[in-house]
Amino acid sequence: DTGVSQDPRHKITKRGQNVTFRCDPISEHNRLYWYRQTLGQGPEFLTYFQNEAQLEKSRLLSDRFSAERPKGSFSTLEIQRTEQGDSAMYLCASSTDGRSSGNTIYFGEGSWLTVV
Amino acid sequence: AQSVTQLDSQVPVFEEAPVELRCNYSSSVSVYLFWYVQYPNQGLQLLLKYLSGSTLVKGINGFEAEFNKSQTSFHLRKPSVHISDTAEYFCAVSPFSGNTGKLIFGQGTTLQVKP
Repeated sequence: DTGVSQDPRHKITKRGQNVTFRCDPISEHNRLYWYRQTLGQGPEFLTYFQNEAQLEKSRLLSDRFSAERPKGSFSTLEIQRTEQGDSAMYLCASSTDGRSSGNTIYFGEGSWLTVV
Repeated sequence: AQSVTQLDSQVPVFEEAPVELRCNYSSSVSVYLFWYVQYPNQGLQLLLKYLSGSTLVKGINGFEAEFNKSQTSFHLRKPSVHISDTAEYFCAVSPFSGNTGKLIFGQGTTLQVKP
């Protein structure tokens, strides 16, 4: 069990540029989640996948945001035309879908985005 | 809809003293309950969870929490804290219904352990 890994850990970009983050979940986990966390706040749910299907998207996920999980393994989160308000830590997490696990979600280290 | 309120934004405490971090939640459906810890510039680590059964739950690093259904609370406690417990602590709920596993977090409580 290597845990959830995210790349890059830190990204500084100019306003208007596109950025992409990658997440590799725990290998046997079929659910994958993206959260956003700003300074001094708790994480906020963005979207989640069951295998390759994107089953729920938060209204926080504007049209500039797109997430994919093409083969049901790793996932990418792309932000187009970045704005300063996008500066945050983007957390990826994964879990099984069994009720016996209590929907326990395991988080990665996060990807920090700074838009200048 | 669900919401989580962590009643204290910061809790300063001296090393080896006991601590309680308070969490209340609101939900129209049954929920699972969690506490996570976040060290600076890191992701979240699960401390403990309540699924069902005994209302007193023991977790890692000597932490425990008690589920109180009538008061809709899930307070986190530790009898004697260490400097290394200094971190941000998040309470979270996940609704049974839909089985999405989605977590709704509180705002967090900063635990500052002083020597």
